[in-house]
Amino acid sequence: DAGVIQSPRHEVTEMGQEVTLRCKPISGHDYLFWYRQTMMRGLELLIYFNNNVPIDDSGMPEDRFSAKMPNASFSTLKIQPSEPRDSAVYFCASSLARSTRNIQYFGAGTRLSVL
Amino acid sequence: GESVGLHLPTLSVQEGDNSIINCAYSNSASDYFIWYKQESGKGPQFIIDIRSNMDKRQGQRVTVLLNKTVKHLSLQIAATQPGDSAVYFCAENRSQAGTALIFGKGTTLSVSS
Repeated sequence: DAGVIQSPRHEVTEMGQEVTLRCKPISGHDYLFWYRQTMMRGLELLIYFNNNVPIDDSGMPEDRFSAKMPNASFSTLKIQPSEPRDSAVYFCASSLARSTRNIQYFGAGTRLSVL
Repeated sequence: GESVGLHLPTLSVQEGDNSIINCAYSNSASDYFIWYKQESGKGPQFIIDIRSNMDKRQGQRVTVLLNKTVKHLSLQIAATQPGDSAVYFCAENRSQAGTALIFGKGTTLSVSS
């Protein structure tokens, strides 16, 4: 399996622009997680889905952030409008609910810079 | 070498030494714990996990110890190698949060040869 695939790897944009980050989870996994990582706050959970349904979005910073999972093999995290404080590395992870071990497998991340 | 995790974020050791990375967790309801390794420019990578009904689990060159009495978790790496240099995170699964993992701030391990 190719693992969790994220795109783009790097994104540089200007303040006010819309940014869309993409994720393809591991085939067969039924949980998908979006995290944000910064030096100041570490790794923060933003939102997670089970069987394409959002379960907990309490970590989403504000209304500028939205996430969707239209099918089992694709999810997006959108920021509109983007602000410099959104600059961070965004990770997607997936896991398998049937497993007794809650191992989340991470993608390589998208490094976002908002100028 | 030994660190206290969140309170001493960097651990420097010599190649061949054993490393001990510590982590304190706060929620006594947490029943599952994972250690991840994150190399520069990459996503966190699973190392080893342990359930709360165990106090020790061993992998290849790594051992995780769990002390529920003091809510403390440690990762021991035997014969540390330069390739072990990375940031190490502990994560806990709080039962009431479903499958969400709560991550610690991480400890940087630096191995010199």
